[in-house]
Amino acid sequence: EVQLVESGGGLVQPGGSLRLSCAASGFTLSSYWMSWVRQAPGKGLEWVANVKEDGSDKYYMDSVKGRFTISRDNAKNSLYLQMNSLRAEDTALYYCVTGGSWFKYWGQGTLVTVSS
Amino acid sequence: DIVMTQSPDSLAVSVGERATINCKSSQSLLSSSNNKNCLAWYQHKPGQPPKLLISWASTRESGVPDRFSGSGSGTEFTLTISSLQAEDVAVYYCQQCYSTPPRTFGQGTRVEIK
Repeated sequence: EVQLVESGGGLVQPGGSLRLSCAASGFTLSSYWMSWVRQAPGKGLEWVANVKEDGSDKYYMDSVKGRFTISRDNAKNSLYLQMNSLRAEDTALYYCVTGGSWFKYWGQGTLVTVSS
Repeated sequence: DIVMTQSPDSLAVSVGERATINCKSSQSLLSSSNNKNCLAWYQHKPGQPPKLLISWASTRESGVPDRFSGSGSGTEFTLTISSLQAEDVAVYYCQQCYSTPPRTFGQGTRVEIK
């Protein structure tokens, strides 16, 4: 059974940093593009970033470029999202998802709140 | 960026009746390499992560009831629930995978029981 378990969310002040992690199991992580998708409170779904199977290619939405870094450790079956210079508008539930084109498997999400 | 626009924003349908959700993209999603439209549909219920229903505009995922169907090509797409059930109450999203970045979603359509 495919499982994706996110962690690392929490309350952070504007300008602060957080590192989200996603522990994957039940499938071979190295065979899949992986992505982060977020949902702000009361809003719709928003793709954040994705990374190729071997980590060689990475793409980001414009508003997080230069602030967020997606990475992966296939040996540890893990996906990461380093978030720096956080803004109030980054407040959202962050989902770890399989796929780079469409998103078949989703974790339950980890909540990031950026507030003073 | 490709902009995805869904209509309506919400709809209320009686149990057993048809529900139709439209999705328009600002440019064609038809891939010349495989002649398929790179568009997916998701169902999102409160307290749960979204669920992938359909990929390639019309290919239903394994385990998805056949009352859900996707159609369309180019820039106009439709998700149809042929006979709405109570458990289908959710927000539905379309998402384009033709270009990256970014992978863009529609704003969502809320489906309720009349």
